[in-house]
Amino acid sequence: DAKTTQPPSMDCAEGRAANLPCNHSTISGNEYVYWYRQIHSQGPQYIIHGLKNNETNEMASLIITEDRKSSTLILPHATLRDTAVYYCIVRPRGTGNQFYFGTGTSLTVIP
Amino acid sequence: EAQVTQNPRYLITVTGKKLTVTCSQNMNHEYMSWYRQDPGLGLRQIYYSMNVEVTDKGDVPEGYKVSRKEKRNFPLILESPSPNQTSLYFCASSPRAPNTEAFFGQGTRLTVV
Repeated sequence: DAKTTQPPSMDCAEGRAANLPCNHSTISGNEYVYWYRQIHSQGPQYIIHGLKNNETNEMASLIITEDRKSSTLILPHATLRDTAVYYCIVRPRGTGNQFYFGTGTSLTVIP
Repeated sequence: EAQVTQNPRYLITVTGKKLTVTCSQNMNHEYMSWYRQDPGLGLRQIYYSMNVEVTDKGDVPEGYKVSRKEKRNFPLILESPSPNQTSLYFCASSPRAPNTEAFFGQGTRLTVV
């Protein structure tokens, strides 16, 4: 079952903020929103996760709507090295490392 | 450095020749799992393990075996590989504590001819 919906591709100018949307309209109360990215065919890299509050770390910010049906990952100053496929994942609390990856958003940062 | 290590990174083999892809983590994580990635299908979980001697099937377990004799190692075994198992494989580990991230290895690209 596809629990998340993401646009297949996006472009962003280098130095600008990249805003990647994700819809998760069927999310339940104990499910977290995780974001990973995959550069070329390397292993997925963790970015950020949250439950209902907005979160920020050194890589990105995660904005979750009040009804939790959607979220946005923000890369504040995109660089060429941020070109990757970004996956939004809804994951029940305490399920070990069972992550259900969709097909993600292919972000291209343009010089 | 905390990491998940897979070997080999690249492998070409022939149909029916048994092979093992190794996975090792140095973070003392309880949970480990294997995924395969195919074009247009994303990452799909093959098997997972919640602790030593505890393994369970994921979404696409057919044709694969795993074992978890030690906490740090979780090898993926293909007893009789077939061409439809040509794929990019990833191992992942995470701690048992909820609300945590998973760490992924760098991948093993397997080609079965």
